[in-house]
Amino acid sequence: DADVTQTPRNRITKTGKRIMLECSQTKGHDRMYWYRQDPGLGLQLIYYSFDVKDINKGEISDGYSVSRQAQAKFSLSLESAIPNQTALYFCATSDSGVDGYTFGSGTRLTVV
Amino acid sequence: EDQVTQSPEALRLQEGESSSLNCSYTVSGLRGLFWYRQDPGKGPEFLFTLYSAGEEKEKERLKATLTKKESFLHITAPKPEDSATYLCAVQANNAGNMLTFGGGTRLMVKP
Repeated sequence: DADVTQTPRNRITKTGKRIMLECSQTKGHDRMYWYRQDPGLGLQLIYYSFDVKDINKGEISDGYSVSRQAQAKFSLSLESAIPNQTALYFCATSDSGVDGYTFGSGTRLTVV
Repeated sequence: EDQVTQSPEALRLQEGESSSLNCSYTVSGLRGLFWYRQDPGKGPEFLFTLYSAGEEKEKERLKATLTKKESFLHITAPKPEDSATYLCAVQANNAGNMLTFGGGTRLMVKP
């Protein structure tokens, strides 16, 4: 099993719909992140959580919300999806040290 | 504000043709610089962390180096399986362990 699992892998949804992307990890890390990737723009941070009771906005949080249900689970919601939220979404985890992140395989979201 | 710029955006090489990818950065006190490899449709995969100027790390055909302003990812005698997007990210001393990513370099190695 993958260390970081994202579901669904692909999703097509209509404008205005609410959608949830899920992430679970088996690394035992406290810190979890949601990133968005658009072609040529690298990875942009949406939200991050350093523990179950700590949720923080990233650089592009408008239109998104998150829930940290447990140490191992971190969900991202699009309240009312719009076409410019079409992108690849990645969940990542890390420990508290200076180590690289572990990424999931991503969710490709298309809003039509 | 921390910034990371990668160049070139795309690079085409013949198999065996060595080259380098560049990552220029500005950060208020560097805690670490990270290189990742990303294959199409997959999440980034961690390659290296560099902590201080002058440091070098190697893995198979890849070698990463670091100066006070930039990092290079040298690819020696690349093979088609090295084709991927390579991402650079920096972590600042005052940013917890948050990463700022560059836009990536898409490498294509032709047989």
